[in-house]
Amino acid sequence: QSALSQPPSASGSPGQSVTISCTGTSSDVGAYKYVSWYQQHPGKAPKVMIYEVTERPAGVPDRFSGSKSGNTASLTVSGLQAEDEADYYCSSYAGNNLLLFGGGTKLTVL
Amino acid sequence: QLQLQESGPGLVKPSETLSLTCTVSGDSIGSSVYYWAWIRQPPGKGLEWIGTIAYSGTTYYNPSLKSRVTISLDASKNHFYLKLSSVAAADTALYYCGGPQYYHMDAWGKGTTVTVSS
Repeated sequence: QSALSQPPSASGSPGQSVTISCTGTSSDVGAYKYVSWYQQHPGKAPKVMIYEVTERPAGVPDRFSGSKSGNTASLTVSGLQAEDEADYYCSSYAGNNLLLFGGGTKLTVL
Repeated sequence: QLQLQESGPGLVKPSETLSLTCTVSGDSIGSSVYYWAWIRQPPGKGLEWIGTIAYSGTTYYNPSLKSRVTISLDASKNHFYLKLSSVAAADTALYYCGGPQYYHMDAWGKGTTVTVSS
């Protein structure tokens, strides 16, 4: 199983919206609702921002939203803020008790 | 609130076995439908799922590491463990423990750096 595909970088100005994609296959992203998104600031542990494609854990701002279409999942950050600058990783269940991660996207707030 | 903390040697020699412990506080690791995972991150690279152990002791491993990985738990100590045998330089990474859901990790430890070098 290959890692999920993410763009290496994304950027936006404060207040704008940015969308990060996560492309898999019909055996992972396309097959299950178990797509998660993690935010990782430098030197920190990852933090789950979205799980089960669209669900937001308590305490995560509603500026963060998730969606999925076919084999591609997306994370949208609306109303960008400086503290949103971080690395973002997607993850998907791939069947047969296997979890996959994407390669990560570095989000820069201009 | 669930808290996790990794511990173990920071330096392991090539061909030897890497052994890490994750100490869980805030709940009992064996008392509910919990799943506990190990994830690693090589320097400057992305995350890699190593494997997961269920509250019952059932294990699930990344096929790419399966022949070298053993994950176990000790509910009496509220610990779970990672052993990775025959390590090489490519196993140098920041190792995280996480849980308690099966499909995603709500809680993560701060991570522990393991360097493989003679």
